[in-house]
Amino acid sequence: AAGVIQSPRHLIKEKRETATLKCYPIPRHDTVYWYQQGPGQDPQFLISFYEKMQSDKGSIPDRFSAQQFSDYHSELNMSSLELGDSALYFCASSLGLAGVETQYFGPGTRLLVL
Amino acid sequence: AQSVTQPDIHITVSEGASLELRCNYSYGATPYLFWYVQSPGQGLQLLLKYFSGDTLVQGIKGFEAEFKRSQSSFNLRKPSVHWSDAAEYFCAVGVNYGGATNKLIFGTGTLLAVQP
Repeated sequence: AAGVIQSPRHLIKEKRETATLKCYPIPRHDTVYWYQQGPGQDPQFLISFYEKMQSDKGSIPDRFSAQQFSDYHSELNMSSLELGDSALYFCASSLGLAGVETQYFGPGTRLLVL
Repeated sequence: AQSVTQPDIHITVSEGASLELRCNYSYGATPYLFWYVQSPGQGLQLLLKYFSGDTLVQGIKGFEAEFKRSQSSFNLRKPSVHWSDAAEYFCAVGVNYGGATNKLIFGTGTLLAVQP
């Protein structure tokens, strides 16, 4: 079965650079979530989209923005990168809202900021 | 505020022994509860979930979990651990604000080591 696809899988950037992470949900899934997992930490919710509209927002820095496109893929844009942004960024997708749908996670994008 | 507590940071068990990973949650409404497993450098794989109904849920890889409302717990169990079960295990609660996205609040994880 098709899974959530994230690209790139690994990314190395310098401080103050920008990065764009992409997420392709499972086919027919209309909801996308972004999570950040720092080294040795649990995943923290950043932001989510349902039907191309932002549906919830967590602890996402103002330097980050995200959107969901008409084909339901999502992009997380990160500017003015800081060392502390080094983390594993997960995307998850689900079908609809309503609270009972399972979120399926992608393999993550590992971002290293030097 | 919603939260998930996994009291055990590290657990070591012998292969073939039984396993129980503890999870306690704090959430005002009926919780949606999940267990995910993460192998080193990998993504999060869903083991099992509880939404309603039977409080004992079965998952993949021989895992099961029991929801106990009176104790606000959702402990994960496996009768006989295999070496391939060594990984980090995350308990999570789904938080839903009346139709808003069901974001997940994770516990801090339990790292399981399996001795031969």
